[in-house]
Amino acid sequence: NAGVTQTPKFQVLKTGQSMTLQCAQDMNHEYMSWYRQDPGMGLRLIHYSVGAGITDQGEVPNGYNVSRSTTEDFPLRLLSAAPSQTSVYFCASSSLILTDTQYFGPGTRLTVL
Amino acid sequence: AQKVTQAQTEISVVEKEDVTLDCVYETRDTTYYLFWYKQPPSGELVFLIRRNSFDEQNEISGRYSWNFQKSTSSFNFTITASQVVDSAVYFCALSEDTGGFKTIFGAGTRLFVKA
Repeated sequence: NAGVTQTPKFQVLKTGQSMTLQCAQDMNHEYMSWYRQDPGMGLRLIHYSVGAGITDQGEVPNGYNVSRSTTEDFPLRLLSAAPSQTSVYFCASSSLILTDTQYFGPGTRLTVL
Repeated sequence: AQKVTQAQTEISVVEKEDVTLDCVYETRDTTYYLFWYKQPPSGELVFLIRRNSFDEQNEISGRYSWNFQKSTSSFNFTITASQVVDSAVYFCALSEDTGGFKTIFGAGTRLFVKA
């Protein structure tokens, strides 16, 4: 199992550009989430999904879109990047019954100039 | 609303010292789950422990131990005989879900262990 994979690992954008952060898991987990990590603030939940076709907002959803067309994939879209979105983004997956924890991807470090 | 507070921003110790990382949480749920994660300088998140709200038994795993006290809403983490490899950021987290879905994280405590 590859676990949770994220691409790219690093990305630099200019203000106003759009892009998609990719996340995939091969553990057949129902739940997937996106978090952002800013210095001194821990991780904050952006969006989450309880299954294919179902998504909902977390704590800090503004400026981001998600979709879940398959169980495996949960991409995060930045519609018009802003410097405030400079952060490290983590994708995570979990199963309601079968896991003790969320499994986190390695993260994507995004810089918006 | 749920909240996790890690009041210690940074802690610096000398190798072989014991160190305790504090975690205080707030929730109205009667069923909840508490977690500790380690984030080493390489940046990945490493799961350390999960504790559910009905299990107040303290746990020990090698040099790591956890003290869960519902009466004070605390879930503290102690490293005994610290080592340089323990240097990392440690996060305490709270979830209403057994798998840690939709987790609320504390701000983290950065631990420096000097040789």
